[in-house]
Amino acid sequence: NAGVTQTPKFQVLKTGQSMTLQCAQDMNHNSMYWYRQDPGMGLRLIYYSASEGTTDKGEVPNGYNVSRLNKREFSLRLESAAPSQTSVYFCASRLSLASPLHFGNGTRLTVT
Amino acid sequence: GDSVTQMEGPVTLSEEAFLTINCTYTATGYPSLFWYVQYPGEGLQLLLKATKADDKGSNKGFEATYRKETTSFHLEKGSVQVSDSAVYFCALSIGSGGSNYKLTFGKGTLLTVNP
Repeated sequence: NAGVTQTPKFQVLKTGQSMTLQCAQDMNHNSMYWYRQDPGMGLRLIYYSASEGTTDKGEVPNGYNVSRLNKREFSLRLESAAPSQTSVYFCASRLSLASPLHFGNGTRLTVT
Repeated sequence: GDSVTQMEGPVTLSEEAFLTINCTYTATGYPSLFWYVQYPGEGLQLLLKATKADDKGSNKGFEATYRKETTSFHLEKGSVQVSDSAVYFCALSIGSGGSNYKLTFGKGTLLTVNP
């Protein structure tokens, strides 16, 4: 019972490099989310996908793009990484608006 | 807009002490309320939830009651254990479509329980 799987677990990038964070869920959930977690800031929503085929901006979308590839997968892309994007990134999903979120274990990204 | 305010930590307690972590919210509609817990190196896990006023959520000895009159959802546990050491997040979600797909989180409260 995998739940929400994120890859990679750790990544170090140089400023200006690009990368894609992968997320997949096997719970047949409709909506998926990307958050970043920074000390003292709590969780901030980057992008979300209410259902397959739709994506919307959250609180802090600048510098990121997303793709809802299918119902299972929701990827986050950094086109040109910046040190300000050093953070822990969490993917989450849920079945409906009244349902709780299920989180992956996170990707720790460092941009030097 | 919607917001969640929870007490700032860190909170340090001795084993078997009573725990309260305060959480208040501002919302335009009638939210569902959640407490999530994050253990070191892991993602957040749902601890408990309440979907309407006066509901009490409970799990693993933790409880929280949805108080509409005070817009609060305080987390309590009668006797904490070392294994309860974690970061606790209060969150709200408002039903119906569009931007209501978002959850709003508090900033988290770090709890450390010493033996």
